[in-house]
Amino acid sequence: QQQVKQSPQSLIVQKGGISIINCAYENTAFDYFPWYQQFPGKGPALLIAIRPDVSEKKEGRFTISFNKSAKQFSLHIMDSQPGDSATYFCAARRGGSEKLVFGKGTKLTVNP
Amino acid sequence: ETGVTQSPTHLIKTRGQQVTLRCSSQSGHNTVSWYQQALGQGPQFIFQYYREEENGRGNFPPRFSGLQFPNYSSELNVNALELDDSALYLCASSLSADPGTGELFFGEGSRLTVL
Repeated sequence: QQQVKQSPQSLIVQKGGISIINCAYENTAFDYFPWYQQFPGKGPALLIAIRPDVSEKKEGRFTISFNKSAKQFSLHIMDSQPGDSATYFCAARRGGSEKLVFGKGTKLTVNP
Repeated sequence: ETGVTQSPTHLIKTRGQQVTLRCSSQSGHNTVSWYQQALGQGPQFIFQYYREEENGRGNFPPRFSGLQFPNYSSELNVNALELDDSALYLCASSLSADPGTGELFFGEGSRLTVL
């Protein structure tokens, strides 16, 4: 049972374009939704996170959009750069729980 | 301030052997979680330690066990290794007054290959 479904599996974007990665969840008890960025050979690094009391959060070129009624959230990377090429994971955590549930990841390639 | 460090970075074992992976938490962090990341997949939660006690466990068999020490460093032990145990093992630390509320900081992982 996959609790967090992520799409697309891979994404190719031109430099300066917008990258959009989507995630959907089933468990309405989830109350924390982070996005992680992972480069080859490295551990995941927290990029940005949101809680369901807001519909959008922006940090620099990265924005999370959150739709509580649809149980969906997405990551938007504006002005994508070759240095953004990495694998991105969405995740979710139930309140008071220790366990992060990850999506399967999206491999982003930004062409120069 | 040092980040999360893991050792060894790579290791090769054969089926049936035992392995111990080590993790040093980020300075000041009191909670350690372990995740398994198979190739091309997202990390999967193994367990978490908070104040030296196991504080939750994912869907992993008992041959996966762990420890947390008074300095908050941690070990992951896997007995009777199977081929499917080949993966990147990630340690993450956080500072939590209550488990489940802290931001996780991951180490670079230990890449285990089981032949």
